[in-house]
Amino acid sequence: DIQMTQSPSSVSASVGDRVTITCRASRSITSWLAWYQQKPGKAPKLLIYGASDLRSGVPSRFSGSGSGTDFTLTISSLQPEDFATYYCQQVNSFPFTFGQGTRLEIE
Amino acid sequence: EVQLEESGGGLVKPGGSLRLSCVASGFTFRTYDMNWVRQSPGKGLEWVSSITSGSSYIYYADSVKGRFTISRDNAKNSLYLEMNSLRVEDTAVYYCARVWEEASGWYLGYWGLGTLVTVSS
Repeated sequence: DIQMTQSPSSVSASVGDRVTITCRASRSITSWLAWYQQKPGKAPKLLIYGASDLRSGVPSRFSGSGSGTDFTLTISSLQPEDFATYYCQQVNSFPFTFGQGTRLEIE
Repeated sequence: EVQLEESGGGLVKPGGSLRLSCVASGFTFRTYDMNWVRQSPGKGLEWVSSITSGSSYIYYADSVKGRFTISRDNAKNSLYLEMNSLRVEDTAVYYCARVWEEASGWYLGYWGLGTLVTVSS
């Protein structure tokens, strides 16, 4: 199985900050990676697919990059509504696996 | 508008069984691959199972293989998860999720609100 490791597990930041979350796969997944945002009590929401393709309607301050085993999610200028938990997921091969999540908190 | 509505959760004793349902609307259900994902209280997301549009291919997480069965009824726009031999560690919110249509691959573009399964004596 492919293991997905996210870092950091939590991060504190302020409105307007730039934040980067990383996700590492235990072996190459080429670009078969998604990023999700989850707010408390809500279902996850797909933000980015194919490692770097932004879902329509998602603000352009979100961006994804990487291929192979190393990936990043960047939020260029944090907004109040961005404080949430973020998960990466590999869809290269079954069983699909998620990272453990990164909780983004207000500083 | 794509809508997914799960039901069937509840309290069950260890070793018991439960059947979850997910009714889909707002899209042509029979043409989309579907999934179940769960989240234990206060924990992260765990992929559980996937089924292709025509039920030709089915996949399970090792943690549920042999105990859970995914199925679908395209005539009823419904996805199911039959859960047997339930364990305390199966306690979670179970989400039904549909693949994202704007890319190939199993990206989970639409999610239901989830249904809570509690396994406890």
